[in-house]
Amino acid sequence: IQLTQSPSSLSASVGDRVTITCRASQAISTYLAWYQQKPGKAPNLLIYAASTLQSGAPSRFSGSGSGTDFTLTISSLQPEDFATYYCLQLNDYPLTFGGGTKVEIE
Amino acid sequence: EVHLLESGGDLIQPGGSLRLSCVASGFDFSTDAMAWVRQAPGKGLEWVSSINANSGTTLYADSVMGRFTISRDNSKNTLFLQMNNLRVGDTAVYYCAKCAGHCQYRHFDFWGQGALVTVSS
Repeated sequence: IQLTQSPSSLSASVGDRVTITCRASQAISTYLAWYQQKPGKAPNLLIYAASTLQSGAPSRFSGSGSGTDFTLTISSLQPEDFATYYCLQLNDYPLTFGGGTKVEIE
Repeated sequence: EVHLLESGGDLIQPGGSLRLSCVASGFDFSTDAMAWVRQAPGKGLEWVSSINANSGTTLYADSVMGRFTISRDNSKNTLFLQMNNLRVGDTAVYYCAKCAGHCQYRHFDFWGQGALVTVSS
């Protein structure tokens, strides 16, 4: 199952609403997770089951979608949110990640 | 607090072997599936292998099938990745990841800090 993330990068300002999309090559129900990764660090779980916020993740992060189309939304971008975001499908092996979306400061 | 600590990363020549370890703490290691995920320099994330809680099921990416072996010792809370016949393309940071119960249909909820494997002559 291929996951296509878009955009691959974006520039935004603090306070902006940001939306990242992840499209699966076949239906994966809601078996999708979103991760944030900062340079030199391990990925950190934000959202699982497409829309469930991980304990401790800020409430400005939200996820939606099912089947083949998914979105990660940051309602009001904060300085600590500049990072790369990855989606991951867990519907079938091999487990696959999207190519990543790098969120940069405008 | 969940903690995963990888070790064993090194500079190795093509064709060589290496074994990574991941020591887990802060949760009941014997009840959760575990996985290895790698990230080549400047690239994205790639799932490598998973193992279920009792070692009865192991799964591999095509890129490492037949060369890598995942295993675990629940008595020592340790996950392993034996890597044989290493290639330049295996150069990456290797992350140990805990699955929330199972890996399939669930998610990776905690990650280690990573171990760097460099394959070069």
